[in-house]
Amino acid sequence: DSGVTQTPKHLITATGQRVTLRCSPRSGDLSVYWYQQSLDQGLQFLIQYYNGEERAKGNILERFSAQQFPDLHSELNLSSLELGDSALYFCASSVGALEETQYFGPGTRLLVL
Amino acid sequence: EDKVVQSPLSLVVHEGDTVTLNCSYEVTNFRSLLWYKQEKKAPTFLFMLTSSGIEKKSGRLSSILDKKELFSILNITATQTGDSAIYLCAVYPSGNTPLVFGKGTRLSVIA
Repeated sequence: DSGVTQTPKHLITATGQRVTLRCSPRSGDLSVYWYQQSLDQGLQFLIQYYNGEERAKGNILERFSAQQFPDLHSELNLSSLELGDSALYFCASSVGALEETQYFGPGTRLLVL
Repeated sequence: EDKVVQSPLSLVVHEGDTVTLNCSYEVTNFRSLLWYKQEKKAPTFLFMLTSSGIEKKSGRLSSILDKKELFSILNITATQTGDSAIYLCAVYPSGNTPLVFGKGTRLSVIA
């Protein structure tokens, strides 16, 4: 158990819908990262927040957005969902912002029908 | 574009065998390389290798980093069925750039 928690574990929804994934980092960690993992693409970095501020952005679609709250938990919002958005979404956290070991949560499996 | 390539993509071995997993990278301003093990769900951290720490060992697992040739290897000796997993290699290209992951090596250890 890494200490990073994610909810929900599974999510099934329909195309066009909007969902919110939640992540709580390890105690003391200020950085939160979001990743998408699909079978053919591997782990793809989406976005990083550090102490409430956006720190780095990867291949995140405009339909996706995230934020980190004052208590350091983070939410990833996915809207206008498409079949291709079906994937495992991981959250990871680290103490600092740079070159840190990232600890991963158990992931949320999203299925868009 | 920053790139991390792992080989082989998959590997099947018998218990007790020794395996070597490869990771090569092409990134700007390399800072560090990380190995993760992914079983059913979340990747779990194994090692971080940097310029000041090019060799790491933990039990039956060990890893080295060759900064000149731009690769790393992960060695597992006396493999057990519990070592069956996907092993992921990731690199920090520079201070403000996020981790770049390879696609992983799927290791299956059979009794």
